[in-house]
Amino acid sequence: EAGVTQSPTHLIKTRGQQVTLRCSPISGHTSVYWYQQALGLGLQFLLWYDEGEERNRGNFPPRFSGRQFPNYSSELNVNALELEDSALYLCASSFGQGDGYTFGSGTRLTVV
Amino acid sequence: GDSVTQMEGPVTLSEEAFLTINCTYTATGYPSLFWYVQYPGEGLQLLLKATKADDKGSNKGFEATYRKETTSFHLEKGSVQVSDSAVYFCALSDYNQGGKLIFGQGTELSVKP
Repeated sequence: EAGVTQSPTHLIKTRGQQVTLRCSPISGHTSVYWYQQALGLGLQFLLWYDEGEERNRGNFPPRFSGRQFPNYSSELNVNALELEDSALYLCASSFGQGDGYTFGSGTRLTVV
Repeated sequence: GDSVTQMEGPVTLSEEAFLTINCTYTATGYPSLFWYVQYPGEGLQLLLKATKADDKGSNKGFEATYRKETTSFHLEKGSVQVSDSAVYFCALSDYNQGGKLIFGQGTELSVKP
């Protein structure tokens, strides 16, 4: 069974640019979660999508947005990149809330 | 609100030593509890979980028991290996948290040969 896959694995962007990160959940999982792991800041919850709808959002500005497609894959978009957006962005999926998440390997974003 | 507190790292042990990483939580409901592990340069992997009081989660020689009376979920392993070197995260999931896992700050473990 394929795990959670994220693309790209690494990318470098310039401040002010826009970026799109992609995530494919485990087959059968309808919920997708996005987390930011910046150096020294731990894991910060970004977004939760379930059945195509945004269900919850963390304390991030509106330039962080996303969506979930009918096949349950998801995109995270970040506009007007800032240097502090440099981080590992982790996607996870689950079947139910109490089951815990399965994480992907992440996308390492560097903003210069 | 709900929160998770882990012992600070880094923790440095010799191979075959006993490991304990403390984790305590605050929750208004009846959370599920998890331990995740993150190896260098990788994402998080679910190590073990417990969904109700007195449950014991175990995997790869690691164990943790859900203690409601002390609101704790300490991670233990009887004999660590160099390959266990990683960052360990304690986390909880509660119905009132809108789907998100609440993570502790992580504890870095370094095992020396």
